[in-house]
This record gives sequence, structure tokens and C-alpha cells, in this order.
Amino acid sequence: EAQVTQNPRYLITVTGKKLTVTCSQNMNHEYMSWYRQDPGLGLRQIYYSMNVEVTDKGDVPEGYKVSRKEKRNFPLILESPSPNQTSLYFCASSARGSNEQYFGPGTRLTVT
Amino acid sequence: GQNIDQPTEMTATEGAIVQINCTYQTSGFNGLFWYQQHAGEAPTFLSYNVLDGLEEKGRFSSFLSRSKGYSYLLLKELQMKDSASYLCAVYTGGFKTIFGAGTRLFVKA
Repeated sequence: EAQVTQNPRYLITVTGKKLTVTCSQNMNHEYMSWYRQDPGLGLRQIYYSMNVEVTDKGDVPEGYKVSRKEKRNFPLILESPSPNQTSLYFCASSARGSNEQYFGPGTRLTVT
Repeated sequence: GQNIDQPTEMTATEGAIVQINCTYQTSGFNGLFWYQQHAGEAPTFLSYNVLDGLEEKGRFSSFLSRSKGYSYLLLKELQMKDSASYLCAVYTGGFKTIFGAGTRLFVKA
């Protein structure tokens, strides 16, 4: 089944404790992206990647890192999480030449 | 600046027709998406308009006017399962997509 998977789905952590949210897609898509979704603000793009080893900042990259060492994986790293990073995070992917994005199930992160 | 406006909430009756409007002002424009998102779930793709005009897909239709910076999503024969948030998004190019805050649609019996 074609899908985008994220892990973990839920995470409660404390300020300053490094964490990684994994994202994997099995559709051989070139493009991958991370978004956060907050009430009243909609989805905001954090980082995106157009191919292996090619990443760029979205609209809200501060406090986040990404890497794209393999085509299928695009992990999101929070080196020192803070409470303002409490949010719902979505990973998405799309094929070259297609603008339709396929979204993962989401990761609900709470930083206390 | 980048701005996408859509109503926060709408209510409609089962079997009726509802139109959800979206206006946008963005630094670039390559196309406009509509996504559906049920509470607690991921957004799912509904439509993508590049050219002006109406595109129909079953009970859902999407309209675009690039000169007016305006789009709408039309839902016909509303069903209870259509209760969800509807997200308007502009693809500005270079794999950058800007989303509106979404319109929460409540369908009542």
C-alpha cells in the first residue's frame, strides 16, 4: 500500500531533550516536506527536500533540522525542543511533475 | 506578503449545496489546491486548479479566477461525512505551498 508513515504518532517530552520524528514514504517520491499545524494558523511549511541531499527552509525553520540521506526517509530533528514547538506535525511527499502531496498521519508533540 | 483568507466556520444542511470561498495574495502563483481534513487526520487531496474556470469531480467542484485572486470549492448533495475542515493552499513554486487556516464545515441533519 502506497503511504507515508511517521513515528512516533504521539510524544510528550521536556524542554531541551533532543528528539527525532521519522518520516518514510514507499512511493519513490522525489519531494518531501515537513509542516506544523496550529489552531487558527493552518499548515506552515518547516523544511522541504527536492531530492537526496537537497533541502531548503520553509516558512518556519527556526529550531528544526532535517536531513535527506535516502530518498525514502526525511527525519525532522528538534535539537533543543521548547514549549512553542508543541504542535501537530505532518510529513508529506509528492512525485516530480505532480503537485499533489500525500500526507502522513501526523505526530502530536507536546513539550513541557 | 503572503495571505490566504477563508471563512473560519460554515454550517449547512444535509443534501444542500455549500460554497467555500478562498481569496489569496501571494508573491508567486503556480496553482491552487483544495484539501479535506477530518478531525485528527491527515489532509487528503481534493483538487488542483491551474487555469481559470470550473473543474468538476463528482460532488465536488473547484473554481479559480487568477485575475481576482479568488477560488471556491462547491460541495453538492452534502452528506454527514462531509463534516470536516477544507484547506485552501497556493503552490507558489519550488515545492513551496502556502496554506490558509482552513474552513470548518458542519453538516447538520
